[in-house]
Amino acid sequence: QTVVTQEPSFSVSPGGTVTLTCGLSSGSVSTSYYPSWYQQTPGQAPRTLIYSTNTRASGVPDRFSGSILGNKAALTIAGAQADDESDYYCVLYMGSGIGVFGGGTKLTVL
Amino acid sequence: EVQLVESGGLVVQPGGSLRLSCVASGFTFDDYTMHWVRQAPGKGLEWVSVISWEGGDTYYADSVKGRFTISRDNSKNSLYLQMNSLRTEDTAFYYCAKSPSSGTTWYYFDSWGQGTLVTVSS
Repeated sequence: QTVVTQEPSFSVSPGGTVTLTCGLSSGSVSTSYYPSWYQQTPGQAPRTLIYSTNTRASGVPDRFSGSILGNKAALTIAGAQADDESDYYCVLYMGSGIGVFGGGTKLTVL
Repeated sequence: EVQLVESGGLVVQPGGSLRLSCVASGFTFDDYTMHWVRQAPGKGLEWVSVISWEGGDTYYADSVKGRFTISRDNSKNSLYLQMNSLRTEDTAFYYCAKSPSSGTTWYYFDSWGQGTLVTVSS
């Protein structure tokens, strides 16, 4: 059973920079997993932020960036703002039509 | 503008069945791969199922395999999820989502609906 790991929670100061990660319980995340990132605020549908590791979705500010850091995918938010306070989810494409979400990271801006 | 509108969520007893629908607009529905993704209240997102543009290829998460069936009617711009043998752990918001691909090799979701709530309870 493949488990995709994310930090359960993170906090960042307004204006600060934070990096959230997305790993595998066994093995390394590479671009071959086409990591993507989604932002969700309570009561709302998810919003697509980053796909194929580092491509920003339409309308996403360049404060959000994606990369591979070591053996994990990473989402970096620079110049954090109050409305960045959300849950963030990664998805890895496992092949054969299967995708697996990470457990999500609750980001607090304070 | 892409719009995905889910419906069909209800309260249903364990062991029961339910069919969810998602009506799409704002894009050429039969060009694209579609998914169901769910989220139990207060929990994280879980990918459930995918269907190719013509409906010929489908895949499921292990948690629903053999109980849920994804289908589509391109003439009605509609996606469906037939849910049988429902369990309390199937209680969740169910979102339909679109991928910018046509087959079941997909890499991300580019559009989401607002979700419909399924509650499995006696």
